[in-house]
Amino acid sequence: GAVVSQHPSWVICKSGTSVKIECRSLDFQATTMFWYRQFPKQSLMLMATSNEGSKATYEQGVEKDKFLINHASLTLSTLTVTSAHPEDSSFYICSAWDQGRGYEQYFGPGTRLTVT
Amino acid sequence: GQNIDQPTEMTATEGAIVQINCTYQTSGFNGLFWYQQHAGEAPTFLSYNVLDGLEEKGRFSSFLSRSKGYSYLLLKELQMKDSASYLCAVRGRDDKIIFGKGTRLHILP
Repeated sequence: GAVVSQHPSWVICKSGTSVKIECRSLDFQATTMFWYRQFPKQSLMLMATSNEGSKATYEQGVEKDKFLINHASLTLSTLTVTSAHPEDSSFYICSAWDQGRGYEQYFGPGTRLTVT
Repeated sequence: GQNIDQPTEMTATEGAIVQINCTYQTSGFNGLFWYQQHAGEAPTFLSYNVLDGLEEKGRFSSFLSRSKGYSYLLLKELQMKDSASYLCAVRGRDDKIIFGKGTRLHILP
């Protein structure tokens, strides 16, 4: 199967600081990675789509200067939450997709961010 | 616009059958997914439909009607561990996968 990891699995940071979350596809090359955010008892909201070597495409209402996405290689994408605020506290999940492997996208285990 | 509707909550009894419906209106259609998600965990893949009809996989089956913009997930022989949220998601023309709000399924003994 295809494995996607995220690091860290949980993080607590202070307001105003920045936090970087890594998403790695461990045994395949992902042409596309997606970043989602999920608030308690709500569904996954797509934040942005990133393709290796190009700029991420952000969904409407997502601030690209606040949520910096870098897809530097076919196995790594990072999401940096800049100047974090308590309302950014959420569960952040990435998924990776390789079109050549078929239809399924593979989810990472998620990162729980708490901003104090 | 994009719209995916599914019931917010459902309750069923252990051993019974439950059907979770999903209707969608999206910009293009390249397949419909069902995921299971337990609290605090990432979603796990259950099924994928791109053509009309029923896909059966063990205790779970998924149905799609593209002309009606409709799908359902059928869970048979319910077990307590099936208590979870079930997410309907559609891959649109641009290959982005958009999720519905999810259905929280409660299983009673």
